[in-house]
Amino acid sequence: SQTIHQWPATLVQPVGSPLSLECTVEGTSNPNLYWYRQAAGRGLQLLFYSVGIGQISSEVPQNLSASRPQDRQFILSSKKLLLSDSGFYLCAWSVLGTGSGELFFGEGSRLTVL
Amino acid sequence: GQNIDQPTEMTATEGAIVQINCTYQTSGFNGLFWYQQHAGEAPTFLSYNVLDGLEEKGRFSSFLSRSKGYSYLLLKELQMKDSASYLCAPQDSNYQLIWGAGTKLIIKP
Repeated sequence: SQTIHQWPATLVQPVGSPLSLECTVEGTSNPNLYWYRQAAGRGLQLLFYSVGIGQISSEVPQNLSASRPQDRQFILSSKKLLLSDSGFYLCAWSVLGTGSGELFFGEGSRLTVL
Repeated sequence: GQNIDQPTEMTATEGAIVQINCTYQTSGFNGLFWYQQHAGEAPTFLSYNVLDGLEEKGRFSSFLSRSKGYSYLLLKELQMKDSASYLCAPQDSNYQLIWGAGTKLIIKP
């Protein structure tokens, strides 16, 4: 069966510090991978998605970047965090062309920037 | 533009039935998802509709009318554990999910 894991679960970082969130998927090949952010009381905002190794699409201009060094690994990074980067970050995967293209989410990472 | 409209919050009683409505406008349409999200947790998949009509899955049912840009999620025999946010997410022509802010459902004994 397929599983997805992301870490760390909780992070408190000072403004201006770097960030690295990691996500790995097991049990599937060539998944589409996504990073979302959810602010309190708001909908999910798509940050990045990837259809293959080294292929990253950015949905909104921001202080963040993403990389996909391996087929089932997706990393969200920042060189210098801003207060506005605080939120709940979710990694997800899907396989288009099979069934509904349903998204499966990781456990989430709650980032607080102080 | 793309837009999702759901009630912000609803309250219902344990054992009762509740219907959560969703209207949407998207650039193209490739089906609509409903997800459940408990506080502090990731969303989990509930249902998917691509054709008009009702899809039933246990205590949960979801309805879609593509011509009206309308869907609802029906929850029967409510349990306390159903207290959560319910997210309506249509899929656009690029197969990207468009997310609303969700409906927070509060279940009272």
